[in-house]
Amino acid sequence: KQEVTQIPAALSVPEGENLVLNCSFTDSAIYNLQWFRQDPGKGLTSLLLIQSSQREQTSGRLNASLDKSSGRSTLYIAASQPGDSATYLCAVGSSNTGKLIFGQGTTLQVKP
Amino acid sequence: KAGVTQTPRYLIKTRGQQVTLSCSPISGHRSVSWYQQTPGQGLQFLFEYFSETQRNKGNFPGRFSGRQFSNSRSEMNVSTLELGDSALYLCASSSTGTVDNEQFFGPGTRLTVL
Repeated sequence: KQEVTQIPAALSVPEGENLVLNCSFTDSAIYNLQWFRQDPGKGLTSLLLIQSSQREQTSGRLNASLDKSSGRSTLYIAASQPGDSATYLCAVGSSNTGKLIFGQGTTLQVKP
Repeated sequence: KAGVTQTPRYLIKTRGQQVTLSCSPISGHRSVSWYQQTPGQGLQFLFEYFSETQRNKGNFPGRFSGRQFSNSRSEMNVSTLELGDSALYLCASSSTGTVDNEQFFGPGTRLTVL
């Protein structure tokens, strides 16, 4: 059974810091891995999608990597800003179940 | 292109009632998936519809049902509401499928059961 874990559950950093959010999954049979951002009480905003054949994707200050063999992904945020404060969720597209399996998220606070 | 829209945004119901939520996908998208999000369980997959057919479903009781129309709009229905059904219900659309394509989420419907 695919399980997705995100560590840490919460993170607080001063503005300007570079930071890394971690996501691990137990089953390497995946189509892809997607990182989302969720603001309180709102829906999910897609940040980056990495296909299983890819190693990383970049968008602006965000860089996501994928190591399928070790079951790990990281989301790197450069030069963090208060506007980056949100919950970040990773989700894997399981090729065994055909479902998107989510981690519990990392809640990020960037202090001015 | 307009994003995924969900109506209503907020609902308050009492135990035993039923509720219908609506989701309109991005134009051209044929797959709609539904998720329940609660503080304790996180995001859990309910079901996926593609071209009016349920293609996959999660581990929820039969009180949770859905359908998709020919224009790809989807509805989900919860009958005999329980307190534990209070949650944010999110729908997502993609061009062809749940897991092999990027998913785009709507703003959600916040359901409160009293």
